[in-house]
Amino acid sequence: AQTVTQSQPEMSVQEAETVTLSCTYDTSESDYYLFWYKQPPSRQMILVIRQEAYKQQNATENRFSVNFQKAAKSFSLKISDSQLGDAAMYFCAYRSAGSNNDMRFGAGTRLTVKP
Amino acid sequence: DVKVTQSSRYLVKRTGEKVFLECVQDMDHENMFWYRQDPGLGLRLIYFSYDVKMKEKGDIPEGYSVSREKKERFSLILESASTNQTSMYLCASTSGQALFKPQHFGDGTRLSIL
Repeated sequence: AQTVTQSQPEMSVQEAETVTLSCTYDTSESDYYLFWYKQPPSRQMILVIRQEAYKQQNATENRFSVNFQKAAKSFSLKISDSQLGDAAMYFCAYRSAGSNNDMRFGAGTRLTVKP
Repeated sequence: DVKVTQSSRYLVKRTGEKVFLECVQDMDHENMFWYRQDPGLGLRLIYFSYDVKMKEKGDIPEGYSVSREKKERFSLILESASTNQTSMYLCASTSGQALFKPQHFGDGTRLSIL
């Protein structure tokens, strides 16, 4: 079974600075999807960014970008110009292309943004 | 926007009680999921359903069952609640033919079993 590892339980960043959250995964599949979700203190999980494994170009959504290294099975999230509203739990997730049901989540990284 | 509604934000029950957690989505999604979220463990899949009256076990189904009588509603049942089922429970839904589309989550139910 696929596993997703987030090695940083907690991270902090100064407002306006850049922070990178790491995520690695273990799979024998070649086609899959990767996601970063954000869970603010209000608790509703929302999608931040996603990446299709067959695409070499790294996904970007405004201040959020990923560094997808397929060979290394690494999918890190970079947050630029951090804002107070970025403070949240961040979860990395993996979904197999062979199934629309099986999504695997990492343990999460709690990001604190300091003013 | 997709809305996934969980019936309770906080719930306190006693050991041995039968507990029902309800989840409703308004986007006609085929797939619905129940996760539990625990610190340091992330989200773990309990059960999912890809159609009415269909269900499949996730990673940690023991002590739980589910019901999907209507497409929009997916219920999680704790047959005889135990203290180790104290947790945050998250419901999610997604379209059945959209592997790249994200799951949409409810606000979660924080369940305490005393």
